[in-house]
Amino acid sequence: GQNIDQPTEMTATEGAIVQINCTYQTSGFNGLFWYQQHAGEAPTFLSYNVLDGLEEKGRFSSFLSRSKGYSYLLLKELQMKDSASYLCAVMDSNYQLIWGAGTKLIIKP
Amino acid sequence: DAEITQSPRHKITETGRQVTLACHQTWNHNNMFWYRQDLGHGLRLIHYSYGVQDTNKGEVSDGYSVSRSNTEDLPLTLESAASSQTSVYFCASSERESYNEQFFGPGTRLTVL
Repeated sequence: GQNIDQPTEMTATEGAIVQINCTYQTSGFNGLFWYQQHAGEAPTFLSYNVLDGLEEKGRFSSFLSRSKGYSYLLLKELQMKDSASYLCAVMDSNYQLIWGAGTKLIIKP
Repeated sequence: DAEITQSPRHKITETGRQVTLACHQTWNHNNMFWYRQDLGHGLRLIHYSYGVQDTNKGEVSDGYSVSRSNTEDLPLTLESAASSQTSVYFCASSERESYNEQFFGPGTRLTVL
């Protein structure tokens, strides 16, 4: 079966760094996406990785290791507005997105 | 500005009724998707379309149908609503190529009593 695992909830302090992990087992791989979803709102795109390595975009970075079936999202200089759920999704061999249940990130002052 | 809208934003209905949720996008995207989101689950794909007159079943399509008569709209119909279909429904669209991000509508919260 296809499976995406990520922690249910994480807590971090304003100004700190947090790493949200995602492991996956899917039938084929055509890229991994990270989305941010604030409570009661729609998901919004953060990053896309298809090759191994680190992609940096401002305070957010995303890493991929295809051989390990592993990705992480790194958030630096945390701000209160970063409190949200972070969704990991893998595009499988049929070009369908398989979604993880999301990681709720709580930022404390 | 291009956007994707959903209506209604909130809907309460009764078991057995037919319900249609609207999705309209002005991005001129070929690909459109319907997902449901439930606590403890990831987004689950209901139906999707890669263009006009094209529709495909997703992971959880039973009890749902869609039609694509133009580029802009992909309405989702619950033929006979069931309490298990109480959920938040998101419509999304993307450009043709698979690696493109999906843009999501604001969601419809549906309650089936």
